[in-house]
Amino acid sequence: EVQLVESGGGLVQPGGSLRLSCAGSGFTLSNHWMSWVRQAAGKGLEWVANINEDGTKKYYVDSVKGRFTISRDNAKNSLYLQMNSLRVEDTAVYYCVRSVGGREASWGQGTLVTVSS
Amino acid sequence: QSVLTQPPSASGTPGQRVTISCSGSSSNIGSNPVNWYQHLPGAAPKLLIYSNTQRPSGVPDRFSGSKSGTSVSLAISGLQSEDEADYYCAAWDGSLNAYVFGTGTEVTVL
Repeated sequence: EVQLVESGGGLVQPGGSLRLSCAGSGFTLSNHWMSWVRQAAGKGLEWVANINEDGTKKYYVDSVKGRFTISRDNAKNSLYLQMNSLRVEDTAVYYCVRSVGGREASWGQGTLVTVSS
Repeated sequence: QSVLTQPPSASGTPGQRVTISCSGSSSNIGSNPVNWYQHLPGAAPKLLIYSNTQRPSGVPDRFSGSKSGTSVSLAISGLQSEDEADYYCAAWDGSLNAYVFGTGTEVTVL
């Protein structure tokens, strides 16, 4: 069974940093593009970042460029999101997603990030 | 603001057919495959349709997708109470170099 488990969310002050992790199991992470998608309370889904199978291609939504970094460790079957210079508007549930645009799309349960003073 | 436009809500009685539209442009729906996701409150989003019209194994055939030009649609036939959820279309946008989600449609079973 495919499982994606996010961790690392929590409460952080504006300007602070957090690192989200996503542990995959039941499949080989190195065979898939991986993504982070977020949802603020009462809002729709928003794609945040993509990374290709070997980590050589990365794409970001404009609002996080220069602040967030997506990375992966295929040996550990894990995906990461380093979030710096956090803003109140980054408050959301962050989902780890396998192959978001493909036939094998699978989502984790999400981790809540709250940016507040 | 999303580049894929969906109606904010749709509704029907049990057994009815409901259709959700998703309008985009040549840089997203017009040139890249669309996925549809079902999002129940408190749960992880679930893939309903991939490549515009294809259903993953395990998804009931009550759900179907179609495409015409720069728009796609999701149809739910034989509406059931467990279909109450938010539904999102999504596609890669080659002009933005970004994956874009639709604005989302809340389906209510009356």
